[in-house]
Amino acid sequence: EVQLVESGGGLVKPGGSLRLSCLASGYSLSGYSMNWVRQAPGKGLEWVSSISSSGNYLYHADSLKGRFTTSRDNAKNSLYLQMNSLRAEDTAVYYCARGGLYCSGSSCNVIAFDIWGQGSMVTVSS
Amino acid sequence: EVVLTQSPGTLSLSPGERATLSCRASQSVSSGYLAWYQQKPGQAPRLLIYDASSRATGIPDRFSGSGSETDFTLTINRLEPEDFAVYFCQQYGTSPKTFGQGTKVEIK
Repeated sequence: EVQLVESGGGLVKPGGSLRLSCLASGYSLSGYSMNWVRQAPGKGLEWVSSISSSGNYLYHADSLKGRFTTSRDNAKNSLYLQMNSLRAEDTAVYYCARGGLYCSGSSCNVIAFDIWGQGSMVTVSS
Repeated sequence: EVVLTQSPGTLSLSPGERATLSCRASQSVSSGYLAWYQQKPGQAPRLLIYDASSRATGIPDRFSGSGSETDFTLTINRLEPEDFAVYFCQQYGTSPKTFGQGTKVEIK
C-alpha cells in the first residue's frame, strides 16, 4: 500500500524549533516532487513548501519569511520540514503530500497532490 | 500568486440532490492544472479531480469537474450521505501551489 506517515509534531514554546519527518512506503520517493501543506484549527489548507525530486529546487511560502526549511533523503524515502522561530500562528496540522512533478527517465509530468499523510499536529504555546 | 476564490462558502442540500461548486482564479491556471479535494473531519484531504476534469483512481462517476482558464466547477450528482464534507480547489501548475478557502457541503 502506498502511504505517507508524518512524525515529529508536538507542543513547542514560541521561538522554539521542531523537525517534522514524512516516511514514504509502498513506493520510491525519488522521481516525485514532495510538499508540505498545513491546516490551522478550523481553517483551510495552506501550501507551505515544495521540493523537487532531486532536492535541488525548493519553494517556500513567502509568509514563512525563511523560518522553515524543507529537505529530503531519497535513500531513506523521507521528507523533512525544519521549523525555526515558531509562532502561535504556526499551530496547525502539517501534512506531507506527493505531487507537483513526476519524472521518469527523460519524461516529466505535472501531477496533483495524489497521496497525503495523516498529518502531524504542531502546537506552539507557552 | 494565483488566488482561488470558492463559492458558495456553504451549500445546504439533501441526499440525492446535485451540488455545484465554483472555483475562480485571479489569473489563468497554467495548462488547466486545477484539482479538487474532499476533506472530512479529522481526515487528510483526498484527491477527487485533477487536470480540471479527470477523476482520480477510485472516485465515483457522480463526481465531475469542468472548466478552464479562470473558471472551474465541481459537480456532484445525486449526493450520497458520505459526500457531505468540505471541498477545496487547488492550482498546482505554478508555485505557490495555492488552495481555495473551501466549500462546505452540509445536509439540509
